Amino acid sequence: KAGVTQTPRYLIKTRGQQVTLSCSPISGHRSVSWYQQTPGQGLQFLFEYFSETQRNKGNFPGRFSGRQFSNSRSEMNVSTLELGDSALYLCASSRGDHWTDTQYFGPGTRLTVL
Amino acid sequence: DAKTTQPPSMDCAEGRAANLPCNHSTISGNEYVYWYRQIHSQGPQYIIHGLKNNETNEMASLIITEDRKSSTLILPHATLRDTAVYYCIVRVASGDYKLSFGAGTTVTVRA
Repeated sequence: KAGVTQTPRYLIKTRGQQVTLSCSPISGHRSVSWYQQTPGQGLQFLFEYFSETQRNKGNFPGRFSGRQFSNSRSEMNVSTLELGDSALYLCASSRGDHWTDTQYFGPGTRLTVL
Repeated sequence: DAKTTQPPSMDCAEGRAANLPCNHSTISGNEYVYWYRQIHSQGPQYIIHGLKNNETNEMASLIITEDRKSSTLILPHATLRDTAVYYCIVRVASGDYKLSFGAGTTVTVRA
């Protein structure tokens, strides 16, 4: 079974721009979670989508948003990019039926903001 | 969230067993212990999880103490490819579906 895929793998943007990242979950998984990883803060939860609805949200500003489509694919958008948004953005998918369902991560998108 | 404590780093000889400890003294009765690892700049990889019984799969074994206040991840025959950061995570029974990662243990397998 194919794993979680993320596109693009690498991205370079400048301050003030916006960016959209994409995540395709494992087939049959309906939950997609997004995480940000930086050297200073480690891995932090952004938000989780299930059946096209945001079900959980972390403590990030409104510049970070997401959505999920009917085929469970998800996109994450960051507007008005700041230097501090440079990070590895990871998505993880799970069945989403129960909180104990295992999350499987994609390879990540490396975003660099100049 | 139930807090976990892991040593910041450890070395292991190739071919030997690697025993990774994790303390989670505030764990509640219905909270699970999960282990993930992250090889440099890749996405975290799920290893194993358990509630109170010991668990084994093709990657590792998980030993949870009877009082559930600590656990040990065992990699039976470490290889150089097992060099990674290993995260011990307690899944909170709040239904919020998120994983809370700590700093983890950096494991270096040496030839």
